[in-house]
Amino acid sequence: DQQVKQNSPSLSVQEGRISILNCDYTNSMFDYFLWYKKYPAEGPTFLISISSIKDKNEDGRFTVFLNKSAKHLSLHIVPSQPGDSAVYFCAASASYNAGNMLTFGGGTRLMVKP
Amino acid sequence: SQTIHQWPATLVQPVGSPLSLECTVEGTSNPNLYWYRQAAGRGLQLLFYSVGIGQISSEVPQNLSASRPQDRQFILSSKKLLLSDSGFYLCAWSPGGSYGYTFGSGTRLTVV
Repeated sequence: DQQVKQNSPSLSVQEGRISILNCDYTNSMFDYFLWYKKYPAEGPTFLISISSIKDKNEDGRFTVFLNKSAKHLSLHIVPSQPGDSAVYFCAASASYNAGNMLTFGGGTRLMVKP
Repeated sequence: SQTIHQWPATLVQPVGSPLSLECTVEGTSNPNLYWYRQAAGRGLQLLFYSVGIGQISSEVPQNLSASRPQDRQFILSSKKLLLSDSGFYLCAWSPGGSYGYTFGSGTRLTVV
C-alpha cells in the first residue's frame, strides 16, 4: 500500500514558466512533509519542507503548499530553470515515529526546456 | 561539519555472490541511519533503519541484512545476491529527533 503517491511520473515545462509537482498521501498521521531533488547517479538533496501546522512555506523560487483536508501537497517552482531538471521526490513522516523514517513517493521527473 | 561516505559507487556482482556495502558518517554522534533502495523507474524504498549501535529495524522482508557495528557505521549485506537485488542503494543519516535526512552519493548495484 503506497502511502505517498506522485501520480505524474514526468513533467515538461518551458524555461521561465511555473512547474507544479503534486503529491498525495493517505496516512492521516503524517505531520511533516519534505521535497527532495535527485540528479542521476547522485543521492537526493533536501529542497524544502513543511509542517502540518502550516499550509505554505516559501524559499526563493520554491514554494510548498499543503492541503490537509485533501491530503495533498504541491511544489511550485517559479520561474523554472534548465538546472531544475531532475527527479523530485516528496516524502512524509509522522512525529510518533521514533526513527524519523521518511516515506517517499515514486518521484516525478521534471524536464525544463530552454 | 557532518559528512556521509558511501562506497563503492558502482558494483557488478554475479547471482549468488555475497554483498557488502558500507556507509560511514563523520562529524556527529548517535545519528539515525537508513538504507534505501531505488529500483529502476521506481521510488525510494526504505530497507533498514537504526537508531543506535546494534539496533536494526527491517522494513521489507528480503534477501538483505544490515548491521551497525559502530555508532557511525552502517553496513548492508547479502549472503547470496538475486537478480532482483539490482538497484541504486542509498545510505542516509539524520540527527535524532529531526526529519532532515542527508543522503550519501549512492551505490549502483547490478547483479548479472
